[in-house]
Amino acid sequence: EVQLVESGGALVQPGGSLRLSCAGSGFTVSFNYMTWVRQAPGKGLEWVSVIYSDGNTYYADSVKGRFTISRDSSKNTVSLQMNSLRGDDTAMYYCATLGGRVVDLIFVPNYFEYWGQGTLVNVYS
Amino acid sequence: SYVLTQPPSVSVAPGKTARITCGEDNIGSKSVHWYRQKASQAPVVVVYYNNDRPSGISGRFSGSNSGNTATLTISRVEAGDEADYYCQVWDSGTDHPGVFGGGTKLTVL
Repeated sequence: EVQLVESGGALVQPGGSLRLSCAGSGFTVSFNYMTWVRQAPGKGLEWVSVIYSDGNTYYADSVKGRFTISRDSSKNTVSLQMNSLRGDDTAMYYCATLGGRVVDLIFVPNYFEYWGQGTLVNVYS
Repeated sequence: SYVLTQPPSVSVAPGKTARITCGEDNIGSKSVHWYRQKASQAPVVVVYYNNDRPSGISGRFSGSNSGNTATLTISRVEAGDEADYYCQVWDSGTDHPGVFGGGTKLTVL
């Protein structure tokens, strides 16, 4: 059974840093496409970042240059290092796997398949 | 990049059919996925690739996608269907591939 468990959320002051972690079980993180999605209080879902199985990474404009996604194969985890935090970074942060289909022998990601329960980040002054 | 437009709210009586739309120019050329999020829970995919259902999702959920509009249809609506619903596309080939609609609150009257 695939499970994702996020940790690391906390209260932090503006300008501070935080590192979120997502532990996977029932599958191998490094073989999958792993993402972070966030949801500000009372707001909708916002895609944050993705790390592909080949190691390529992409970020939403709102976090580019401040957040870094990475993975640790030995721990089967994916992490999100968040620097220069701002009030509008306050949100529940979800880790999710990307599902997709194989097209011409290539996996093409498309949707968010498995989700964790989230970890809360509160940036306050 | 894609901007997916959803109505903020849809209301429907129990037993009736709810339709939630997701609009963008030429969205019919993309695969659209739909998520249900109940209060204080993580989202769950209910329809993927426009009209496929994951195992465990009721057959009352279906989807369509053509032209500039994708639609999630919930038949014989039940009180337990009350939730926020989000559409999503994965815009491969761009630096910002993950795109969600703004979400629709489904209220069962």
